[in-house]
Amino acid sequence: GAVVSQHPSRVICKSGTSVKIECRSLDFQATTMFWYRQFPKQSLMLMATSNEGSKATYEQGVEKDKFLINHASLTLSTLTVTSAHPEDSSFYICSASSGLGGRPNIQYFGAGTRLSVL
Amino acid sequence: GNSVTQMEGPVTLSEEAFLTINCTYTATGYPSLFWYVQYPGEGLQLLLKATKADDKGSNKGFEATYRKETTSFHLEKGSVQVSDSAVYFCALRGSGNTGKLIFGQGTTLQVKP
Repeated sequence: GAVVSQHPSRVICKSGTSVKIECRSLDFQATTMFWYRQFPKQSLMLMATSNEGSKATYEQGVEKDKFLINHASLTLSTLTVTSAHPEDSSFYICSASSGLGGRPNIQYFGAGTRLSVL
Repeated sequence: GNSVTQMEGPVTLSEEAFLTINCTYTATGYPSLFWYVQYPGEGLQLLLKATKADDKGSNKGFEATYRKETTSFHLEKGSVQVSDSAVYFCALRGSGNTGKLIFGQGTTLQVKP
């Protein structure tokens, strides 16, 4: 099946610093990428949807200046958590979807990034 | 708006027991329905899907049938294994086909030898 690589898998940072998380589709072109946040023992909450070459669409209540998303190519999207604070600590998961070579409209998920802000 | 409700866990079963994880949804139009599985320390993997009423999705011994009359998509397996221990998420994608998935809260399954 299609593979999505997410890096890093775990990051610990100090409050006030920025953290960048990468999401790569390894064997298909991802026309659309999604970023989710998962709280302990809870479901995935969609944060934003990004299409290659255009601005991300953020869900209601998600601060776009706080969570910067860049989808510069068909295989890479990045999420930058700016000026991170302890309340940003969470599990962030990306997914990628392709309408081209891969199975159309199926989302393939990365393994997630555990962010801990001290 | 669209929503998905799953039975609360954890569900604890002995090996070879029958599994049912309930999932009901609320949606306008004709959504597609999915079950994803998340093994410890890993990302979500698509387990099975159904795109229209009465469709049955199946994979690795798991099955779920799209029931429009009861707005349900319950996950079943006849004989679970220890390796099935994971978190299972029911999800829907609205008929608008933006690609957005709405997830249920997840159900943890623990299978004991």
